[in-house]
Amino acid sequence: EPEVTQTPSHQVTQMGQEVILRCVPISNHLYFYWYRQILGQKVEFLVSFYNNEISEKSEIFDDQFSVERPDGSNFTLKIRSTKLEDSAMYFCASRPSSGNTQYFGPGTRLTVL
Amino acid sequence: QQQVKQSPQSLIVQKGGISIINCAYENTAFDYFPWYQQFPGKGPALLIAIRPDVSEKKEGRFTISFNKSAKQFSLHIMDSQPGDSATYFCAATGDAGNNRKLIWGLGTSLAVNP
Repeated sequence: EPEVTQTPSHQVTQMGQEVILRCVPISNHLYFYWYRQILGQKVEFLVSFYNNEISEKSEIFDDQFSVERPDGSNFTLKIRSTKLEDSAMYFCASRPSSGNTQYFGPGTRLTVL
Repeated sequence: QQQVKQSPQSLIVQKGGISIINCAYENTAFDYFPWYQQFPGKGPALLIAIRPDVSEKKEGRFTISFNKSAKQFSLHIMDSQPGDSATYFCAATGDAGNNRKLIWGLGTSLAVNP
């Protein structure tokens, strides 16, 4: 069964450094999302992406964040200058053109020191 | 208005018992209500979902009850098993466009004792 994959599973970085989190959505899906989950808290929407552009972004998704679909398979989230409060689990999700179900990857745990 | 309120925060049930998790929303534009199950270290996985035009949906041991007038919906897990021990999130979406971002509840940590 097709699944969303994410790499790396765990990323440790120093505050102020740039990180790129990678996702490979399910191949025939057209809608892509990033969510984050701070330890012990609820899942929060960051950004949605469709037709090679951002559809919507939350207030969390400030100028330090960017997303890109550099080729036909990868979907990346870049944080330019990480802060301590960026430490969280980041989930990528994808959704087909029809239907509401979003399929989630296993997540990348980002630890900012 | 974009919030989804979920309770309880944690739940302990004996094996074979019924687990009930409740959610409430305010935004009447929401039109899709999924429940996700998350095991430690894993991503959320869709468990069951409902649209507001039905009052109940059942899939195996899992049932969603939906009360449109009260703007509430709940997950019932019948014959709860230790393998059901996980965190359960209710969510909602209803964007007029194609975005369909999910608004999440806070989650319920379920422990099923053997």
